[in-house]
Amino acid sequence: DSGVTQTPKHLITATGQRVTLRCSPRSGDLSVYWYQQSLDQGLQFLIQYYNGEERAKGNILERFSAQQFPDLHSELNLSSLELGDSALYFCASSGDTSSYNSPLHFGNGTRLTVT
Amino acid sequence: AQKITQTQPGMFVQEKEAVTLDCTYDTSDPSYGLFWYKQPSSGEMIFLIYQGSYDQQNATEGRYSLNFQKARKSANLVISASQLGDSAMYFCAMREGQGGAQKLVFGQGTRLTINP
Repeated sequence: DSGVTQTPKHLITATGQRVTLRCSPRSGDLSVYWYQQSLDQGLQFLIQYYNGEERAKGNILERFSAQQFPDLHSELNLSSLELGDSALYFCASSGDTSSYNSPLHFGNGTRLTVT
Repeated sequence: AQKITQTQPGMFVQEKEAVTLDCTYDTSDPSYGLFWYKQPSSGEMIFLIYQGSYDQQNATEGRYSLNFQKARKSANLVISASQLGDSAMYFCAMREGQGGAQKLVFGQGTRLTINP
């Protein structure tokens, strides 16, 4: 168990809808990362937050947004969903955002299916 | 340009044999970390082993070891005495020292199948 909690585990929704994915990082970790894993794109970095502030953006669509709350949990909001947004979405946390030798610990992911 | 390259899309190995999963990387940053993750069919991402760019010795964690060849920019994962439960996707990843966020960049992965 990595200590990172993601809910829900599965989500099935229709095109055009909006969903929210939730993540609780490991106790004590201030940094949260969101990744998207699809069959054709592999694991893609979306966005990172550190102690409530956005730190880095990757290949995140404008239809997607995220935030990190004072209690350090994070939410990833996906709107105007398209079939191509179907993927496994991971949240990961890290204790030290400035250190390259600190691993990211991943949650079990949320599998999103857009129909 | 690809920062992490895993050239073996799939590998098949007999149980109890050792297996080497290849990974090459590309960076001009002198400070970086290399990581291997395992993703079983159930989907979770499990951290296996880490190697730092300044580490003199190869990392080991139980049956996992990392064959780090800095000049060749390779960081191969070696699994000794493979078990059926080792069947999974394996991802090599890198964090670079510069850039602020030090996000983890992943390779495309290698699907390892252990045959009984």
